[in-house]
Amino acid sequence: EAGVAQSPRYKIIEKRQSVAFWCNPISGHATLYWYQQILGQGPKLLIQFQNNGVVDDSQLPKDRFSAERLKGVDSTLKIQPAKLEDSAVYLCASSLLAGAVPDTQYFGPGTRLTVL
Amino acid sequence: DQQVKQNSPSLSVQEGRISILNCDYTNSMFDYFLWYKKYPAEGPTFLISISSIKDKNEDGRFTVFLNKSAKHLSLHIVPSQPGDSAVYFCAAAETGTASKLTFGTGTRLQVTL
Repeated sequence: EAGVAQSPRYKIIEKRQSVAFWCNPISGHATLYWYQQILGQGPKLLIQFQNNGVVDDSQLPKDRFSAERLKGVDSTLKIQPAKLEDSAVYLCASSLLAGAVPDTQYFGPGTRLTVL
Repeated sequence: DQQVKQNSPSLSVQEGRISILNCDYTNSMFDYFLWYKKYPAEGPTFLISISSIKDKNEDGRFTVFLNKSAKHLSLHIVPSQPGDSAVYFCAAAETGTASKLTFGTGTRLQVTL
């Protein structure tokens, strides 16, 4: 079974530029998550999709971050404009079930973003 | 406000000995707990979980203990192997929002020969 795919793996941009990350979850997984992991910290949930609807985006900085999940499969996360503090690893994860039950989240390898 | 805390940033253990990783939480609404393992340049991988209705869960060399009154959980690895060297994250969730995980800052485990 193929895992969660993410691209690009690395990205370096200057502040005020825009950037987009792509995620392809495990086939058939209903729920998709985007996390931000700053160096030395644990992953922090940015947004959670259930199929193609947003379940939780309470920690997404909506003035500069946006995300979509078209047709309930792939997802993109965009930052525009980027700030220095956005330097982090952006992790995508997916889980099979929808809803509030405990379910294993499977993570992709992440995209390491450096903002200069 | 750090609701899940891993106070030991690193731990070094000899091969064959027991590794004990600790995690504390402050939110009394958390009732489902997980441990994830992360190798460099890879995403976290699920290791083991425990519900608050239990105080222990075992899976092979890995055992998680939960002390609800102390708001503390620990991961025991016995025996430790060099391949266990990784960063271990503790995570917690509330019933009803069980898919929303709050992670700790991680503990880097080094298993030496």
